[in-house]
Amino acid sequence: QQQVKQSPQSLIVQKGGISIINCAYENTAFDYFPWYQQFPGKGPALLIAIRPDVSEKKEGRFTISFNKSAKQFSLHIMDSQPGDSATYFCAASFNDYKLSFGAGTTVTVRA
Amino acid sequence: DGGITQSPKYLFRKEGQNVTLSCEQNLNHDAMYWYRQDPGQGLRLIYYSQIVNDFQKGDIAEGYSVSREKKESFPLTVTSAQKNPTAFYLCASGRQPQHFGDGTRLSIL
Repeated sequence: QQQVKQSPQSLIVQKGGISIINCAYENTAFDYFPWYQQFPGKGPALLIAIRPDVSEKKEGRFTISFNKSAKQFSLHIMDSQPGDSATYFCAASFNDYKLSFGAGTTVTVRA
Repeated sequence: DGGITQSPKYLFRKEGQNVTLSCEQNLNHDAMYWYRQDPGQGLRLIYYSQIVNDFQKGDIAEGYSVSREKKESFPLTVTSAQKNPTAFYLCASGRQPQHFGDGTRLSIL
């Protein structure tokens, strides 16, 4: 069974708009929540990550919001650009180990 | 440059054939992993290794085998027992974060 549920499956946003991707998890032992970005034919690359003692983390145009009580976390892409068109995966792990991935969200940014 | 190298980029398997996917890393990481990626299913863990000469099954190990004889190498064999091998295979190393190679796409002839 999938331990991390991700939505939506795909989204389209206009250039300059905000993309929001949501993830939910069940295992309260998870202590590390990364987001990966993947372009076609390439491996995923770490975008940003958060630990549960922090409610928000921002790096440039990318922000993770984390709600420990709701067991949810989300990625916000501000001022979306065509170069942000990619598939985004949320993930979770505990004890520095095995990652459980969401199913992925394909983001298309229209110019 | 430090990184993970997967080869070949494309691989074709005939019925009844075993094929081996290569993964080499020069990041000096103890931990290495193999994932399978299918459309709409995210990444699923096949095998992982925490240290040389040791490895554990992941969530979908049936039909696959691995070895870890050297720190920098973690090859994956897709055996004939894996009935649906067509997928994108990704190797990773490290812990929080994991670093990924650029994958091998395996298809059936």
